[in-house]
Amino acid sequence: SQTIHQWPATLVQPVGSPLSLECTVEGTSNPNLYWYRQAAGRGLQLLFYSVGIGQISSEVPQNLSASRPQDRQFILSSKKLLLSDSGFYLCAWSVIGGAEPPSDTQYFGPGTRLTVL
Amino acid sequence: GDSVTQMEGPVTLSEEAFLTINCTYTATGYPSLFWYVQYPGEGLQLLLKATKADDKGSNKGFEATYRKETTSFHLEKGSVQVSDSAVYFCALRRTAGAGSYQLTFGKGTKLSVIP
Repeated sequence: SQTIHQWPATLVQPVGSPLSLECTVEGTSNPNLYWYRQAAGRGLQLLFYSVGIGQISSEVPQNLSASRPQDRQFILSSKKLLLSDSGFYLCAWSVIGGAEPPSDTQYFGPGTRLTVL
Repeated sequence: GDSVTQMEGPVTLSEEAFLTINCTYTATGYPSLFWYVQYPGEGLQLLLKATKADDKGSNKGFEATYRKETTSFHLEKGSVQVSDSAVYFCALRRTAGAGSYQLTFGKGTKLSVIP
């Protein structure tokens, strides 16, 4: 069966510090991968998605970046965190990477709660 | 652009009460519709989905029917339990074209069920 892991589970970082959040998927190959952010009192916002290694699409301009160095690894990074980067970050995957249409269902990881002070 | 509107919470119900959480959407074409649930401190889990008009998604006693004429996908359960306490998100996904990788979520509705 497929599983998705995220770490760390929680993180407290000062403003201006770098960030690296990691997501890995097991039990599937060539998945579509996604990063979402859930800010307090707001819904989920798609930040990035990837249909294959090295292929990243950004949905919103920001000081965050994403990379996919391996088929089942997705990393969210920042060089300098802002207060507004605080939130709950969710990684998700879906079947059929790189093909249209993508699978309907996205499966979410447990999330990382980031607090920027 | 696409959007999803959910009834604002929080919603507090007694155990065994009937639950309805309203969801309406705006989208071009025929999107797929979803309900996700988020238990405290956890990520989102798919609860149910429907991919075309008049489809009914169901799971764990929850149901929702894809109503194209009213652009709605209301979530219902006949008898809620304390374990149903969570945040519920309605979402849609375009089935083709630009943006079809993206799930558009509502803001979520927090449900608290008291014994």
